[in-house]
Amino acid sequence: AQSVSQHNHHVILSEAASLELGCNYSYGGTVNLFWYVQYPGQHLQLLLKYFSGDPLVKGIKGFEAEFIKSKFSFNLRKPSVQWSDTAEYFCAVSGGSQGNLIFGKGTKLSVKP
Amino acid sequence: DAGVTQSPTHLIKTRGQHVTLRCSPISGHKSVSWYQQVLGQGPQFIFQYYEKEERGRGNFPDRFSARQFPNYSSELNVNALLLGDSALYLCASSLIGDEQYFGPGTRLTVT
Repeated sequence: AQSVSQHNHHVILSEAASLELGCNYSYGGTVNLFWYVQYPGQHLQLLLKYFSGDPLVKGIKGFEAEFIKSKFSFNLRKPSVQWSDTAEYFCAVSGGSQGNLIFGKGTKLSVKP
Repeated sequence: DAGVTQSPTHLIKTRGQHVTLRCSPISGHKSVSWYQQVLGQGPQFIFQYYEKEERGRGNFPDRFSARQFPNYSSELNVNALLLGDSALYLCASSLIGDEQYFGPGTRLTVT
C-alpha cells in the first residue's frame, strides 16, 4: 500500500540548531515528492517539491531536501533554525499522472528562542 | 491574486445531518481536490476533480460526494454525519500535474 512515514512526531530545538526531519515513502513507480508547512493559525504552504532532475532540492526560507531513491527517502534539512520556523511539517508523495497527495502524519517543530 | 477560498470557516452539525462545503480555486486552476485532516494526522485524500470530471477517489464511504461546476468551483457533500466526520476539510487547487495550493479549510464539528 502507498504510504508516507515521518519518523519524528515532535522535535524541539534551540535557535541556530540544525534540523533534519525524516521522511520515507512506499510507492510503486514514478513519484513526485513534497514538503508542506503549516504555521500556527495558517493554512498548508508548499516548502519545496521534487519532480525530477537534481535530487537536492532547495525551497523557501532556507530549507532543502534530498531525494535518495535507493532509500525511498526525502529528508528535509535546514542548517540553522529560527524561532519563526515553529510549525508542523508534512511530507507528501504523489505518483506519475495521479494528482492526489498521500501525506505523512506530520512532525511538529518547536524552536526555543 | 486571491488564493483558494473555502466556506464556511466553521460549522457545527448534529449526527445524521447533511453538510455542504464549498471551495473556489485559484483563477486558472482547473483541478480541485478535497482532503480530510483529523487532529494529529496528515490530510487524507477524498476526491479530485478536473474539468468537472472525477479523476480520483480516496477510501471514503459513499456518504461522501463532490462535484465541480463550470467555473471550476467545487462542493463536498457529506450525508448522515457521524461523530467521526469531525475534522478540518481542506480544498486544494492546481494546474493538472502540478503542485497543489491549499485553502484555509472548513472546521466541521459533529455533535
